Amino acid sequence: GAGVSQSPRYKVAKRGRDVALRCDSISGHVTLYWYRQTLGQGSEVLTYSQSDAQRDKSGRPSGRFSAERPERSVSTLKIQRTEQGDSAVYLCASSFIPKDSYYGYTFGSGTRLTVV
Amino acid sequence: KNEVEQSPQNLTAQEGEFITINCSYSVGISALHWLQQHPGGGIVSLFMLSSGKKKHGRLIATINIQEKHSSLHITASHPRDSAVYICAVMDSNYQLIWGAGTKLIIKP
Repeated sequence: GAGVSQSPRYKVAKRGRDVALRCDSISGHVTLYWYRQTLGQGSEVLTYSQSDAQRDKSGRPSGRFSAERPERSVSTLKIQRTEQGDSAVYLCASSFIPKDSYYGYTFGSGTRLTVV
Repeated sequence: KNEVEQSPQNLTAQEGEFITINCSYSVGISALHWLQQHPGGGIVSLFMLSSGKKKHGRLIATINIQEKHSSLHITASHPRDSAVYICAVMDSNYQLIWGAGTKLIIKP
């Protein structure tokens, strides 16, 4: 397709379990961000990657969030040992321009994760 | 007070009208996004601004860094422009702070 797609749209996970969320970005896009959006707290960057080099910008909470990019147009966000505070909408956004060049991003529709 | 305020929250206009959506923010930013979301659709970034003005087709976005204000204009509006328009500012840590969005309806 022409857009960024994320799967699943909804995910319910038991606290303590690991989850994996998928993002299919646009062919040719170089930079990919994973954001977490929670009500009242806005969005925070979890990771970003540029081209084939995975750069993990996850600072808070560190260690439990990682992203893999097995192909340039596919990214998987992995959350280890989920906590109730991880309940949020996870957004993937990609751009064909490296991040320092500032250009528009295309966002996926998000995955709503509920940790119970 | 929210860090990003948009106005109006809802806007209904006739086809052909000139549309303005405003965004004010209270934090230091590295860039500002204008985003568009159609019902049931994903979010598309229309513009990313750090200064001045950008134009794409019938869309124009401006930003005044000193006044911490940005506007999105649509000229010769069309029913297909009906969507939610979101202003989001990006801080120096690439954290996005989202406005509440403006729901725009253009009637034929």
